[in-house]
Amino acid sequence: GQNIDQPTEMTATEGAIVQINCTYQTSGFNGLFWYQQHAGEAPTFLSYNVLDGLEEKGRFSSFLSRSKGYSYLLLKELQMKDSASYLCASLDSNYQLIWGAGTKLIIKP
Amino acid sequence: GAVVSQHPSWVICKSGTSVKIECRSLDFQATTMFWYRQFPKQSLMLMATSNEGSKATYEQGVEKDKFLINHASLTLSTLTVTSAHPEDSSFYICSATAQDPYEQYFGPGTRLTVT
Repeated sequence: GQNIDQPTEMTATEGAIVQINCTYQTSGFNGLFWYQQHAGEAPTFLSYNVLDGLEEKGRFSSFLSRSKGYSYLLLKELQMKDSASYLCASLDSNYQLIWGAGTKLIIKP
Repeated sequence: GAVVSQHPSWVICKSGTSVKIECRSLDFQATTMFWYRQFPKQSLMLMATSNEGSKATYEQGVEKDKFLINHASLTLSTLTVTSAHPEDSSFYICSATAQDPYEQYFGPGTRLTVT
């Protein structure tokens, strides 16, 4: 079956660093996406990884290990506005996104 | 670029009535559009995939006669919730892809409340 696992909720402090992990098992693999979703809003694209390694984009970085079926999203210099849900999604062999349940990130001052 | 709009952004309707939600790609031609539903504190659930000019492909468990999808042009897809019931109350989100299947652009979502 197809499965995406990520923690339900995480808490971090403003200015700190947090890593959100995601493991996936899907039928075929065409890449791993991370989206940010604020409450009541649609998801917004953060990153896309299809090759192993780390992709850095400002305060956000995303890592992929295809052999381990594992990815993480790293958020640095956390700001209060980073409080949101972070969704991990795998693009399967049919180019369909398989979504994780999302990780709710709570930032405390 | 790559902007997707949805209309309305929120709607309240009475049980038994039908509601139509529009999804438009504003600055690109969308070869494929996706309709998702999201209940509170849950992830996105794909309802159906539609390609312009052809019938939508529904996911298992989604009633095609209840959730009518029309993708009449490369910039417009509509979802009609027929005979809505309170359990249909949810956040409905559309997304669209152009030539590149790796990029899905999301609309802002429509919050439906059925009373």
